[in-house]
Amino acid sequence: NAGVTQTPKFQVLKTGQSMTLQCAQDMNHNSMYWYRQDPGMGLRLIYYSASEGTTDKGEVPNGYNVSRLNKREFSLRLESAAPSQTSVYFCASRTDRADTQYFGPGTRLTVL
Amino acid sequence: DAKTTQPTSMDCAEGRAANLPCNHSTISGNEYVYWYRQIHSQGPQYIIHGLKNNETNEMASLIITEDRKSSTLILPHATLRDTAVYYCIVRGPSGTYKYIFGTGTRLKVLA
Repeated sequence: NAGVTQTPKFQVLKTGQSMTLQCAQDMNHNSMYWYRQDPGMGLRLIYYSASEGTTDKGEVPNGYNVSRLNKREFSLRLESAAPSQTSVYFCASRTDRADTQYFGPGTRLTVL
Repeated sequence: DAKTTQPTSMDCAEGRAANLPCNHSTISGNEYVYWYRQIHSQGPQYIIHGLKNNETNEMASLIITEDRKSSTLILPHATLRDTAVYYCIVRGPSGTYKYIFGTGTRLKVLA
């Protein structure tokens, strides 16, 4: 089991560029999440997906879009990156049975 | 969603019990208390969760007060590897699966 994987690990963008962060889990979990973590801060929920085909906004959804492509994959897209989106992005999936979230290693994004 | 309040930082001597408090005075009857930790810049790691009874697993114990307005995470024999940021989370309304992380408590275990 790879658990939760995220690509890329690091990315540098220029203001206005777009990109998609990829997340996949091989644990057959229904729920998946995207968080961002700014330096010295806690995690903030961007979007989540309670099941395949559904997505909902979290605390800080502005400037992002998501796609729950299938049960395994949940992608996060920045259409026009801004320096305020410089952050570490974590993806997580959740097991209903044990009510536990499993996190990926994170993507470190810098927007210049 | 109930909000949580945690001390910003704490120190603990290696081998001693680490007791991390959390206040969640606005918690509602069907909301669970969760604890996660984040070691350095890794993804957070689940520790334990509970509703109203005390819980124990191989990592820690969770003590929830009878009125459920506060809880304490106990690491019985802290090691240097337990140095991390610990987050106390109260889960959002049933069915939405939202988890709101605060800023957590930075625990430093001292040799």
